[in-house]
Amino acid sequence: NAGVMQNPRHLVRRRGQEARLRCSPMKGHSHVYWYRQLPEEGLKFMVYLQKENIIDESGMPKERFSAEFPKEGPSILRIQQVVRGDSAAYFCASRSNEKLFFGSGTQLSVL
Amino acid sequence: TQLLEQSPQFLSIQEGENLTVYCNSSSVFSSLQWYRQEPGEGPVLLVTVVTGGEVKKLKRLTFQFGDARKDSSLHITAAQPGDTGLYLCAGAVRTSYDKVIFGPGTSLSVIP
Repeated sequence: NAGVMQNPRHLVRRRGQEARLRCSPMKGHSHVYWYRQLPEEGLKFMVYLQKENIIDESGMPKERFSAEFPKEGPSILRIQQVVRGDSAAYFCASRSNEKLFFGSGTQLSVL
Repeated sequence: TQLLEQSPQFLSIQEGENLTVYCNSSSVFSSLQWYRQEPGEGPVLLVTVVTGGEVKKLKRLTFQFGDARKDSSLHITAAQPGDTGLYLCAGAVRTSYDKVIFGPGTSLSVIP
């Protein structure tokens, strides 16, 4: 059974470029959480989605950030016009019963 | 706004010592989870506690959920270098869905 898959593992972007982070949940899971983590800190909630619907985006910055989870394909976290402050590890997770299963994350570095 | 606090933030101990990590909040959670995270990887679930006062043991790890379901502790007996990592507590708040928020973590280093 494949776990939660995230790609790319590492993404380098220059200021002003766009970053696209992909997440495929575990088989049979139709909801994903996205979190952001800075070094030596905990995970900050960003957004919770089900297929074709955003349930809670209260943790998403109002500008430049968007997320989607189409009927087919992975969930996408999109960051437009990246700035250095966007550099972080981005994790997604899918849920079964009381358990969250995390991917290995995407480390975004903005030069 | 629900907030989780963890203490201590950093902990460095010798192999064989015991330690306790705390997770506190002013909010009530429907469940609380503990995760361990290693560098460059996602968090891995250790345990979920659901009932106030619940105690769960996982080998040398003992987890307790407070009676009021607002706090929790993780106790490690005879720590080993393999226990090194970032320990995160996470609380589930039941709204229209289970929103899971994380504490800032306790970075544990066990020195051989």
